[in-house]
Amino acid sequence: DGGITQSPKYLFRKEGQNVTLSCEQNLNHDAMYWYRQDPGQGLRLIYYSQIVNDFQKGDIAEGYSVSREKKESFPLTVTSAQKNPTAFYLCASTLSRGEKLFFGSGTQLSVL
Amino acid sequence: GENVEQHPSTLSVQEGDSAVIKCTYSDSASNYFPWYKQELGKRPQLIIDIRSNVGEKKDQRIAVTLNKTAKHFSLHITETQPEDSAVYFCAARGGSQGNLIFGKGTKLSVKP
Repeated sequence: DGGITQSPKYLFRKEGQNVTLSCEQNLNHDAMYWYRQDPGQGLRLIYYSQIVNDFQKGDIAEGYSVSREKKESFPLTVTSAQKNPTAFYLCASTLSRGEKLFFGSGTQLSVL
Repeated sequence: GENVEQHPSTLSVQEGDSAVIKCTYSDSASNYFPWYKQELGKRPQLIIDIRSNVGEKKDQRIAVTLNKTAKHFSLHITETQPEDSAVYFCAARGGSQGNLIFGKGTKLSVKP
């Protein structure tokens, strides 16, 4: 199933290490989002981007960084400053801001 | 900012029964309310949405109702089937940035 692709599916991080999660979409969507999903916590917004070369912090941006150099790509870096990184990370995109989000299949990040 | 509360957190029904999940929101300016279904290990998918100028919307066995005065909206699933078993998330678009704020989810189990 195409549209929006996340990789890798599973990722392990060592203490003090930065890791980058990939998100690519071929839907020609302007807006892209990163959400973090913890059991029983719903989806919490980390960062979002409405256009290339511009992005905004969400509710839980501390310890994360993003870039938006191309319309199709919105990678997320989990830095060593994020002390509790174990979670399921979902990338999403949409044509209309805040509506009809299409999600990727997610990346499960765990700490070694 | 916007806050979305979702109840119940778990719901178990017999096949063929109806299921109702309720959400409340805090921002009276919120104008778009989607529902997402997430099957185990898969991505969330939009199943139905409603805008603030509409009170009810139906799509086959699922329906959503919105009460703007009380600031709550509900998902109704009739004639439930085992394949309806999943986690359901409500969301509201509001706040200063117009991003979706999600509830914490309801795990629905349909017993055959």
